[in-house]
Amino acid sequence: DQQVKQNSPSLSVQEGRISILNCDYTNSMFDYFLWYKKYPAEGPTFLISISSIKDKNEDGRFTVFLNKSAKHLSLHIVPSQPGDSAVYFCAAPQSVQGAQKLVFGQGTRLTINP
Amino acid sequence: DAGVTQSPTHLIKTRGQQVTLRCSPISGHKSVSWYQQVLGQGPQFIFQYYEKEERGRGNFPDRFSARQFPNYSSELNVNALLLGDSALYLCASRATGTNEKLFFGSGTQLSVL
Repeated sequence: DQQVKQNSPSLSVQEGRISILNCDYTNSMFDYFLWYKKYPAEGPTFLISISSIKDKNEDGRFTVFLNKSAKHLSLHIVPSQPGDSAVYFCAAPQSVQGAQKLVFGQGTRLTINP
Repeated sequence: DAGVTQSPTHLIKTRGQQVTLRCSPISGHKSVSWYQQVLGQGPQFIFQYYEKEERGRGNFPDRFSARQFPNYSSELNVNALLLGDSALYLCASRATGTNEKLFFGSGTQLSVL
């Protein structure tokens, strides 16, 4: 049962253009979302988050949009740079049996072409 | 300040063997979680430990166990290794009272042959 889904395994974007990464969720109890970026041989690093009381959160070149009615969020990167090439994970916190865990999507591999 | 550190970085084992992975959280972080990431998938929750007690466990068999020490470092043990246990094992720590943001280590890549 995949509660967080990233349906695009990969995405290729020209340098300087906008990258849009999508994420869908099924659990309506989720009220906070995080995006992580992962380079090879490194652990995931936090990028940006959004609370369900907002529909947009911006941090420099990165903006996350949340559409609660559609249970959909997206990460926009403008302008895209070669260093943005990485795997991006969407995640939502969930409390289970007293534990706080993150439920991750499958990830999207973003490649920025010069 | 040092981030989350894990050792070893890579490990090769054969089926049936046992393995121990180690993790040191960020200084001051009392919560440590373990995740398994199989190639092509997102990280999957295995355990959370807080103040040396297990707070929850994911859908993993009893072959997986963990513990947390007084200095908040943690060990993950996997017994009777199977080929399917080959994965990247990630440790993450979180400060008490903060939001849900986790800080991850670089992981231990386990290969079971």
